[in-house]
Amino acid sequence: DGGITQSPKYLFRKEGQNVTLSCEQNLNHDAMYWYRQDPGQGLRLIYYSQIVNDFQKGDIAEGYSVSREKKESFPLTVTSAQKNPTAFYLCASSIGRDGNYGYTFGSGTRLTVV
Amino acid sequence: GEDVEQSLFLSVREGDSSVINCTYTDSSSTYLYWYKQEPGAGLQLLTYIFSNMDMKQDQRLTVLLNKKDKHLSLRIADTQTGDSAIYFCAEDAGNNRKLIWGLGTSLAVNP
Repeated sequence: DGGITQSPKYLFRKEGQNVTLSCEQNLNHDAMYWYRQDPGQGLRLIYYSQIVNDFQKGDIAEGYSVSREKKESFPLTVTSAQKNPTAFYLCASSIGRDGNYGYTFGSGTRLTVV
Repeated sequence: GEDVEQSLFLSVREGDSSVINCTYTDSSSTYLYWYKQEPGAGLQLLTYIFSNMDMKQDQRLTVLLNKKDKHLSLRIADTQTGDSAIYFCAEDAGNNRKLIWGLGTSLAVNP
């Protein structure tokens, strides 16, 4: 079955460390997105990519980095520059063209700084 | 700028109908969406409506779109405890066709 997979489900990070969250999709979707979710704040867009080897900053990109070397993969690195990284991170993908831009989401990664 | 607004909480009794409302600002939106998020999980697409439609029905779900007032609603008939979740409204807008999200409505279903 096609879908989008995020790993790990839970991640613990010490202060000052970089961590990378994985996002893989086998839906042949062109566009991929990373969101951060905090209680009461809905979804905030970190980065998005509409095509391989290209990505754009979202609303809260500071302290994060991404790459899009393959269509299937869009990993997110949370760097030590991100001052408050504890949150629930969601990856999504969409066809990104031809009208319907509905997203398919992964099951999320909960990152906790310890 | 683009904005999507929803009420934050709704509480209903099991078996009643739930109506979740949403207002949006971008009149050029082509599609509007409803997503459901259960605790600790990702978002699941429930339904969507094309902007030239007024209504869409899918089993217990009815979506109403009032384009003049930029108002979207989701009605869940015969609400069950399994419907307890956060419901997000979203519109596609902007040059890059990113989705613009509401903050989500937390639906509590009481037995």
